[in-house]
Amino acid sequence: EIVLTQSPATLSLSPGERATLSCRASQSVSSYLAWYQQKPGQAPRLLIYDVSNRAAGIPARFSGSGSVTDFTLTISSLEPEDFAVYYCQQRSNWPLTFGGGTKVEIK
Amino acid sequence: QVQLVESGGGVVQPGRSLRLSCAASGISFSASGMHWVRQAPGKGLEWVALISYDGSNLYYADSVKGRFIISRDNPKNTVYLQMNSLGAEDTAVYFCARDRRLRELDHWGQGTLVTVSS
Repeated sequence: EIVLTQSPATLSLSPGERATLSCRASQSVSSYLAWYQQKPGQAPRLLIYDVSNRAAGIPARFSGSGSVTDFTLTISSLEPEDFAVYYCQQRSNWPLTFGGGTKVEIK
Repeated sequence: QVQLVESGGGVVQPGRSLRLSCAASGISFSASGMHWVRQAPGKGLEWVALISYDGSNLYYADSVKGRFIISRDNPKNTVYLQMNSLGAEDTAVYFCARDRRLRELDHWGQGTLVTVSS
């Protein structure tokens, strides 16, 4: 099973600041890496697929990068609605796995 | 618009069974693989199972293999999760989600809560 480790666990930032979230895989996941956003009491929402492609309707302030085992989700300038938990997910190997999540909170 | 609506959750005693349903609309259901993903209270996401568009391929997490069965009824646009031999560790919100390209999950339901407790 591929283990995804996200860091930091919590990121305390102010609106307008840049957020950089990390996801490290225990082995190569090629380009099969996606990111999701989840707000309290809501379902996850697909943000990024294939490492760097934004899903439909996702604002350009969200971007993904990385390769092999190290991946990054960047939010260029935090909006109030961006404070949430973010998960990475791989499907390079079965089983499909998620990272433990990074909470982006208001400082 | 896409809607995935889960139902069937509730409180169940340890060792008992429960069947969840997920009714889909706004998607080409018979052409879509479907997942179940769960989230224990205050915890992260855990993938549970996937069924291919025609039901011919099934995939399970090790934690539920042999206890849970995923199935679908394409004419009814519904996917099911039969959960047997439930334990406290199965307490979670269960989400259904549409599979895209066997890579990512692009549409999610709002979830249904399953609580296993005596």
